[in-house]
Amino acid sequence: GAGVSQTPSNKVTEKGKYVELRCDPISGHTALYWYRQSLGQGPEFLIYFQGTGAADDSGLPNDRFFAVRPEGSVSTLKIQRTERGDSAVYLCASSLNSGHNSPLHFGNGTRLTVT
Amino acid sequence: GIQVEQSPPDLILQEGANSTLRCNFSDSVNNLQWFHQNPWGQLINLFYIPSGTKQNGRLSATTVATERYSLLYISSSQTTDSGVYFCAVLRNDYKLSFGAGTTVTVRA
Repeated sequence: GAGVSQTPSNKVTEKGKYVELRCDPISGHTALYWYRQSLGQGPEFLIYFQGTGAADDSGLPNDRFFAVRPEGSVSTLKIQRTERGDSAVYLCASSLNSGHNSPLHFGNGTRLTVT
Repeated sequence: GIQVEQSPPDLILQEGANSTLRCNFSDSVNNLQWFHQNPWGQLINLFYIPSGTKQNGRLSATTVATERYSLLYISSSQTTDSGVYFCAVLRNDYKLSFGAGTTVTVRA
């Protein structure tokens, strides 16, 4: 596609439920990133994939959060037993490769609200 | 980790005015990007500029890596320039570190 695509654009869920957020990166981009943005703040790193493997998941806040990228393209961020504090905009980005000279391109995000 | 400070935090402009946004960072970086987040939340890549100067229409950016700062210039501002401008840097890993942003409001 022309850009990074994220679905759904909005998700409202009840506390304790399980959610999945999807990211379809720019075609040909090998590096994929998930960030989380809380209201009034800049995005914060969650996890980075190079190909199919999670090269760095140090930003995931706890073990309720998990992400996969089984075929090296589409990625899914999974949140178990959601809490109200998980409410935020979840942003996905991709880059051509993982080199320092490869700018990131962000999707429009998924706004998650946990009630 | 690396610290990224943006100033001013808020900026109100009259349409047609020029402005300068600043980004200071605490250590040497390999990658610096400026983003614009519009009122609908879309985060748009403006510049990839680890050093030097670039221009794109009414926007231009300069990064002086040796002095650890970058500047974003907006000339002849328009109401569509409103939103939050983020500076983000990357050092030796793959995690972009974002500043807190500058909220720009352009009034007609």
